[in-house]
Amino acid sequence: DIQMTQSPSSMSVSLGDTVTITCRASQDVGIYVNWFQQKPGKSPRRMIYRATNLADGVPSRFSGSRSGSDYSLTISSLESEDVADYHCLQYDEYPYTFGAGTKLELK
Amino acid sequence: EVQLQQSGAELVRPGTSVKLSCKVSGDTITAYYMHFVKQRPGQGLEWIGRIDPEDDSTKYAEKFKNKATLTADTSSNTAYLKLSSLTSEDTATYFCTGGVMDAWGQGASVTVSS
Repeated sequence: DIQMTQSPSSMSVSLGDTVTITCRASQDVGIYVNWFQQKPGKSPRRMIYRATNLADGVPSRFSGSRSGSDYSLTISSLESEDVADYHCLQYDEYPYTFGAGTKLELK
Repeated sequence: EVQLQQSGAELVRPGTSVKLSCKVSGDTITAYYMHFVKQRPGQGLEWIGRIDPEDDSTKYAEKFKNKATLTADTSSNTAYLKLSSLTSEDTATYFCTGGVMDAWGQGASVTVSS
């Protein structure tokens, strides 16, 4: 199975910060990485698809990038509504696999 | 807009089974692969498997092959997840999601307890 190593597992952040979360794939997954946001008690929400594409309705302060086997989600000028858990997913190959998640917490 | 409506919370006994439903509205279920995802309390997301309602073909993560069964009923636009031989390790919220996970159900809580 493809491993998605996500870092950091948690991050203490301040409003207005630029935040970057990274997933490293254990083998080539091409562009087939999604990023999800999840708030407590809620379903995940797709934020980025195919590594770099912003999902419908997602603010432009969110962006996705790829460098080799490293995939990143960046949030520019963090707002309070962005404090949540974030998960990456590879869907290049079955079984699909998620990263372990990153929890953003306000300082 | 596609919407997924899941069945309600379940409290079940160890050793029994449970069947969760996920009804699609706003489109035909055959337009999407339907996936199910597990989330234990305070933990990350685990992909269980997916079904193609067009031909009932399925894919499962290895650890769920003897635990989960995915089915679909095109006449009711509904996908199902059956979990068998339940243990405390199956206590979790189960989500259905369609397409490339752009639409999600609200989640169904399963608690396994005697």
